[in-house]
Amino acid sequence: SQTIHQWPATLVQPVGSPLSLECTVEGTSNPNLYWYRQAAGRGLQLLFYSVGIGQISSEVPQNLSASRPQDRQFILSSKKLLLSDSGFYLCAGQGRAPYEQYFGPGTRLTVT
Amino acid sequence: AQKITQTQPGMFVQEKEAVTLDCTYDTSDQSYGLFWYKQPSSGEMIFLIYQGSYDEQNATEGRYSLNFQKARKSANLVISASQLGDSAMYFCAMRNRMNRDDKIIFGKGTRLHILP
Repeated sequence: SQTIHQWPATLVQPVGSPLSLECTVEGTSNPNLYWYRQAAGRGLQLLFYSVGIGQISSEVPQNLSASRPQDRQFILSSKKLLLSDSGFYLCAGQGRAPYEQYFGPGTRLTVT
Repeated sequence: AQKITQTQPGMFVQEKEAVTLDCTYDTSDQSYGLFWYKQPSSGEMIFLIYQGSYDEQNATEGRYSLNFQKARKSANLVISASQLGDSAMYFCAMRNRMNRDDKIIFGKGTRLHILP
């Protein structure tokens, strides 16, 4: 199986400040990795996904970016946060079987 | 394009009653997978059940079953004998089963409230 680690659990940042959220994977090599955002009480919006080191696909154009410097590391970044970036950010990893997608515990970001 | 529709933004159900959460989907793929996830107030996503498009039997996992009607493109989640701990957000999701590099598409979710 696979374990997804995310930190921090909670983050409060002022508008215009940078952001770096890290996700690491344990248990599987070369997994597909995903970043989702969930606004309060809403569904999951896929932001980025990666099928390998240095390979990033962006689903939604915005001021966020993602990088995958190592096989088991996926980073979500921003140079300048906006109020609309507030939300719950989830990292997920794809397992071997089609039905296996593992989620991290999430980071609750509040931009003030 | 793939699409998941959950038409019930919220539901209130008495404890111990059965619950059906609706999910319809749209895809042109012949082979695909359907999922349900539970998200409690803590935010974690808990995988509940999976149904492959070619699976002949409806999937079941304990109190959860998936009522899969392929011709109608529906994949409703049924929770038998609901419990207070079932109160949560529930998401229906789909992916192209043939391509593991494909992404999972989520519905907007249904918030389930179980009343004592």
